[in-house]
Amino acid sequence: AQKVTQAQTEISVVEKEDVTLDCVYETRDTTYYLFWYKQPPSGELVFLIRRNSFDEQNEISGRYSWNFQKSTSSFNFTITASQVVDSAVYFCALSVSNAGNMLTFGGGTRLMVKP
Amino acid sequence: DAGVTQSPTHLIKTRGQQVTLRCSPKSGHDTVSWYQQALGQGPQFIFQYYEEEERQRGNFPDRFSGHQFPNYSSELNVNALLLGDSALYLCASSLGRGYETQYFGPGTRLLVL
Repeated sequence: AQKVTQAQTEISVVEKEDVTLDCVYETRDTTYYLFWYKQPPSGELVFLIRRNSFDEQNEISGRYSWNFQKSTSSFNFTITASQVVDSAVYFCALSVSNAGNMLTFGGGTRLMVKP
Repeated sequence: DAGVTQSPTHLIKTRGQQVTLRCSPKSGHDTVSWYQQALGQGPQFIFQYYEEEERQRGNFPDRFSGHQFPNYSSELNVNALLLGDSALYLCASSLGRGYETQYFGPGTRLLVL
């Protein structure tokens, strides 16, 4: 069975601070995909990134960056120079080869960015 | 490019009633997945429809059923509602049965009294 753990339930930072959201996953499959989604108060899950198990390159997109380390089964997400608009709940998710396209989500991390 | 749409946005029902939620996938997508998100938790997979058939199912009772139409839109039906069915129901669409990214709709907030 697959499992995703987001140990940080809530993080509060002041605007312009950098913040890292942790994600640890468990799977016995060698082929899998990892995702990050953002859920603002409106409720809709907004896709941020997808990474497959064979690509450990870190990725940067503007103020967002992701660090994928298979050795520690982690896929962490960093926001640089946080802004109030970054306030949301962030979810890490996993899909594996023997479970089709079903997403297994972590419990989410609520990020509050104060002005 | 139309995104995933869901209706209704909010719904209030009483225990024992039945409810139908609707979803239209993103333009060009043919696969629809449904998730239940209880307050303060991550979404839980209910089932997935592709080619008008249920292809995968999560750990949900038979009270939860669905349907996919030829135009790829989908319905989620829940019978004999329980208080614990109160949640945000999210629909996601994707292309094919592979690892394509799922794009989510705004959800339907269901309250069971």
